[in-house]
Amino acid sequence: EAQVTQNPRYLITVTGKKLTVTCSQNMNHEYMSWYRQDPGLGLRQIYYSMNVEVTDKGDVPEGYKVSRKEKRNFPLILESPSPNQTSLYFCASSFRVNEKLFFGSGTQLSVL
Amino acid sequence: GQSLEQPSEVTAVEGAIVQINCTYQTSGFYGLSWYQQHDGGAPTFLSYNALDGLEETGRFSSFLSRSDSYGYLLLQELQMKDSASYFCSGGNRDDKIIFGKGTRLHILP
Repeated sequence: EAQVTQNPRYLITVTGKKLTVTCSQNMNHEYMSWYRQDPGLGLRQIYYSMNVEVTDKGDVPEGYKVSRKEKRNFPLILESPSPNQTSLYFCASSFRVNEKLFFGSGTQLSVL
Repeated sequence: GQSLEQPSEVTAVEGAIVQINCTYQTSGFYGLSWYQQHDGGAPTFLSYNALDGLEETGRFSSFLSRSDSYGYLLLQELQMKDSASYFCSGGNRDDKIIFGKGTRLHILP
């Protein structure tokens, strides 16, 4: 089944404790991206990747890191999480930038 | 700046037709996509307009006018299950994807 797998679904952590949210797709998509969703603000792009070893900043990249060592995986790393990073996060992938995006099921992150 | 504007809420009656508008200010714009998101769920793709005109997929249609920097999503024969949030989005020449803030659709029986 074609899908984007994102883990974990829920995560509660404390300020400053490094965490990684994993994202994997099985559709051989070139374009992968991360979004955060906050009430009233819609989806905002954090980082995106056009292909392996090619990553770039979206609109809200501060406090986040990503890597694209393999085509299928695109983890989101928070080196030192802060409470303002409490949000709902989505990973998504597509063949190219303006084609149909497939979303993961989301990660609800709470930073205390 | 780059932005997509859409109404925050729309209310319609079951069985009716509703239109959700999206206006944009994005340079090097590739086209307009629409996504549906139910509470607690992930966004799911509805339609994409690369060129001007109307695209129809079942009860849903989407329209784009590049000259007016405007598009809309049209939902016909509304059903209660269509109660959700709807997002327009577009990609730009920097390969970023930008979303509108979303329109919450309320359907009355």
